[in-house]
Amino acid sequence: SQQGEEDPQALSIQEGENATMNCSYKTSINNLQWYRQNSGRGLVHLILIRSNEREKHSGRLRVTLDTSKKSSSLLITASRAADTASYFCATGGVTGANSKLTFGKGITLSVRP
Amino acid sequence: DAGVTQSPTHLIKTRGQQVTLRCSPKSGHDTVSWYQQALGQGPQFIFQYYEEEERQRGNFPDRFSGHQFPNYSSELNVNALLLGDSALYLCASSLGGRGSYNEQFFGPGTRLTVL
Repeated sequence: SQQGEEDPQALSIQEGENATMNCSYKTSINNLQWYRQNSGRGLVHLILIRSNEREKHSGRLRVTLDTSKKSSSLLITASRAADTASYFCATGGVTGANSKLTFGKGITLSVRP
Repeated sequence: DAGVTQSPTHLIKTRGQQVTLRCSPKSGHDTVSWYQQALGQGPQFIFQYYEEEERQRGNFPDRFSGHQFPNYSSELNVNALLLGDSALYLCASSLGGRGSYNEQFFGPGTRLTVL
C-alpha cells in the first residue's frame, strides 16, 4: 500500500516559475524524503526532513513538514528545463525495525523552456 | 567514491524462469533495500538486508528472495517469473545503525521484462 499521496499528479510550468508539489501521508513518521526520477531511471535523493523539523532548504529547494496535518510540500524556485522529471515523496520510520520507505505515486513536472 | 551500482541494466526473461539481480551499496553503507517499480507507479518495498540478514519484508511472495554478502553487496532472486514481475527493480543503500535517519541512496535500477 502507498502511504504518500502527491498532489497534483501532473504540473506544467514555464521556465523561471516556481513549482510547488504537495504530499500527504496517513501514519506517523520519523522522516520524509523527496526524490527525483528522470525517465524511468534511478531515484535521486533531494532532501530529507525529520519529523521534528518544520522547514529545510537545499539550494533552490524548500521543503516544509506539518506533522499535525500529515503533509509536506516541496518548492522548487526559479525552475529550469532540467527540472523536468517525476518527483516522489517517501515516508520513513525509525531505523531498525521500521526503516523501509513508503512512496507515493509521484508527480510529473514539466518545465517548458 | 562510487555510488550504488546495479547489474545488469536490462534483462529479458520468459515466464517460469528465474532471475538474479545484483547490487553494490555506496561506500560506507551497510544496509541494502530492494524496491519494485511498475510503470507509472511509485517504488514498492520488497525487503531490506542488514548484517547479512533480512530485517524487514514488504508484501511480496516467497518467490522473491535475497541475500547479503559480507562485503554488504546484495542479490535479489525471483523464481517462477510471472508477466506481472516486469518492472524496474531498484536497490537502495543506507546506514542501518540506530540513530541514523535512514537516508537512502538509489542505484540506476535493473529493467526486467518477462515475456
